[in-house]
Amino acid sequence: NAGVTQTPKFQVLKTGQSMTLQCAQDMNHNSMYWYRQDPGMGLRLIYYSASEGTTDKGEVPNGYNVSRLNKREFSLRLESAAPSQTSVYFCASSETWTEKLFFGSGTQLSVL
Amino acid sequence: GENVEQHPSTLSVQEGDSAVIKCTYSDSASNYFPWYKQELGKRPQLIIDIRSNVGEKKDQRIAVTLNKTAKHFSLHITETQPEDSAVYFCAASRTGTASKLTFGTGTRLQVTL
Repeated sequence: NAGVTQTPKFQVLKTGQSMTLQCAQDMNHNSMYWYRQDPGMGLRLIYYSASEGTTDKGEVPNGYNVSRLNKREFSLRLESAAPSQTSVYFCASSETWTEKLFFGSGTQLSVL
Repeated sequence: GENVEQHPSTLSVQEGDSAVIKCTYSDSASNYFPWYKQELGKRPQLIIDIRSNVGEKKDQRIAVTLNKTAKHFSLHITETQPEDSAVYFCAASRTGTASKLTFGTGTRLQVTL
């Protein structure tokens, strides 16, 4: 039982490059989330998916797109990376209509 | 929307002492208040939470208190140990879904020997 798995763990991009962060959970949770964590800013919600087939914007969605591929997988895409997107990204999941989040181990992304 | 402020940003205590971290929130309709612990290089994990129908909740050495009138809640760690060293995040939301959670900016707790 791996919980929430994210790949890659580290990534360095040049400005304008694109990439996709992958996330999968094996807890049969309906809801999945993408957060970014910046120094002094706490965790901020980028996008979430309340259930398979639905996605919604969070607090800071600009510059990102998401895909809920199936119940297990939720990916985050940066189409044209910018230095302001340098951050640590966490995927998380939760059961429907509960507040407890289970986080992945994070992806440290640097955009040069 | 909700705004959560967390203080202090850093806290250093000696092993065995108590540590207190405080958060204030702005939305009077918020009624769920979790605390997450993030050890260095690790993922955040829920350590304790409280709902607005109670004023205090304890789990071994950690406790959370809630003052709805003043709109603030606090995390108390007694008999601190080196493994308590981490960043602690508070959060607040209206009950029902994690998508509405607003996090504080975090407190880095260092427990020194």
